[in-house]
Amino acid sequence: SQQGEEDPQALSIQEGENATMNCSYKTSINNLQWYRQNSGRGLVHLILIRSNEREKHSGRLRVTLDTSKKSSSLLITASRAADTASYFCATGRFGANSKLTFGKGITLSVRP
Amino acid sequence: KAGVTQTPRYLIKTRGQQVTLSCSPISGHRSVSWYQQTPGQGLQFLFEYFSETQRNKGNFPGRFSGRQFSNSRSEMNVSTLELGDSALYLCASKEGGYEQFFGPGTRLTVL
Repeated sequence: SQQGEEDPQALSIQEGENATMNCSYKTSINNLQWYRQNSGRGLVHLILIRSNEREKHSGRLRVTLDTSKKSSSLLITASRAADTASYFCATGRFGANSKLTFGKGITLSVRP
Repeated sequence: KAGVTQTPRYLIKTRGQQVTLSCSPISGHRSVSWYQQTPGQGLQFLFEYFSETQRNKGNFPGRFSGRQFSNSRSEMNVSTLELGDSALYLCASKEGGYEQFFGPGTRLTVL
């Protein structure tokens, strides 16, 4: 069963704009990660945030975590056409960190 | 370091057959996890192996099994294939930490 729910399910923006994607989850977590997938290929790890952290940055990526609301958001600034992909949030629980539970994903289209 | 490799990349089988998929983790990684991705159910965890032992298991029937060898390479087997087993099967490896490194996947089609 899916732990996370991302919204929106699909997002279309112009190159240079910012993209914000949200994820909600149901149970207590140890960490939350965001992955990117291009055209049904393997997933690429983007960023991880631990349950005791509230915000992290990595290049053009900013992730926030609100454990009281069981939600996270991923912001991609100054988007590029190459950012077009599906984005997934995944949660890891205490004692089972390798067992990631994924949301259904968000399809991001960045128009040149 | 070379990334995670999976073989074969594409596979077509018929109902009732069995299939074995292979995964070679990044050198030095002892944990290998398997995931199934379908349009309907999304990404679902199958199992994880660490040092040749199954450490975690998802909610899949016993037709899905796996193993890990002493060199950390892993195989998963699906017996008595059903149409619903058509999916992209992804393996991921890691060593310490939480980040997982995924392979390109094996796309299995069951006819």
